[in-house]
Amino acid sequence: GAGVSQSPRYKVAKRGQDVALRCDPISGHVSLFWYQQALGQGPEFLTYFQNEAQLDKSGLPSDRFFAERPEGSVSTLKIQRTQQEDSAVYLCASSLDRVGQPQHFGDGTRLSIL
Amino acid sequence: DAKTTQPNSMESNEEEPVHLPCNHSTISGTDYIHWYRQLPSQGPEYVIHGLTSNVNNRMASLAIAEDRKSSTLILHRATLRDAAVYYCIPTNYGGSQGNLIFGKGTKLSVKP
Repeated sequence: GAGVSQSPRYKVAKRGQDVALRCDPISGHVSLFWYQQALGQGPEFLTYFQNEAQLDKSGLPSDRFFAERPEGSVSTLKIQRTQQEDSAVYLCASSLDRVGQPQHFGDGTRLSIL
Repeated sequence: DAKTTQPNSMESNEEEPVHLPCNHSTISGTDYIHWYRQLPSQGPEYVIHGLTSNVNNRMASLAIAEDRKSSTLILHRATLRDAAVYYCIPTNYGGSQGNLIFGKGTKLSVKP
């Protein structure tokens, strides 16, 4: 079956522009996570959804970062007024439920801010 | 959250077994030990998890120390495709956090 799909695969933006990154989770997966991975580091948690409810956004680095999942399936991570330090790979993961189930990751969106 | 210690890197020869260690001395009694791996230019991939008993699946085996302060991921016959960064991640099912906390992991190189 289809795995987690993320688009675009690569995104280049100029500093100050807004960007939107899309995640299509595995159908039927209740939980959805966003992570940020800097070069040479492990992924770091950004935010978590259970269906359409955003239950944890403690990892979002600033109020320029905003995520939504309005119908409990597709999710969008938006970054406003991008800065160079936002350059990273943004990973999306989904799981059947938050507790105990393996997370299935997409291959990420590599964001480069010039 | 339990802190983990893993070697920065390890090397293996193809078709030989690989033992990847992880120390998690501050693990709580309800933390499961998860292992994920990340191949180059891909997202992390679930490998295996366990609580107290040793676990086996088609990908690997997980050996957990009796005191649970360490564990070892065992790849029985390494292939070139197993070259990846391997992450050991204690995860509390009963806690409020279900997100994974990755460290730096162990970069495994496999030589033909």
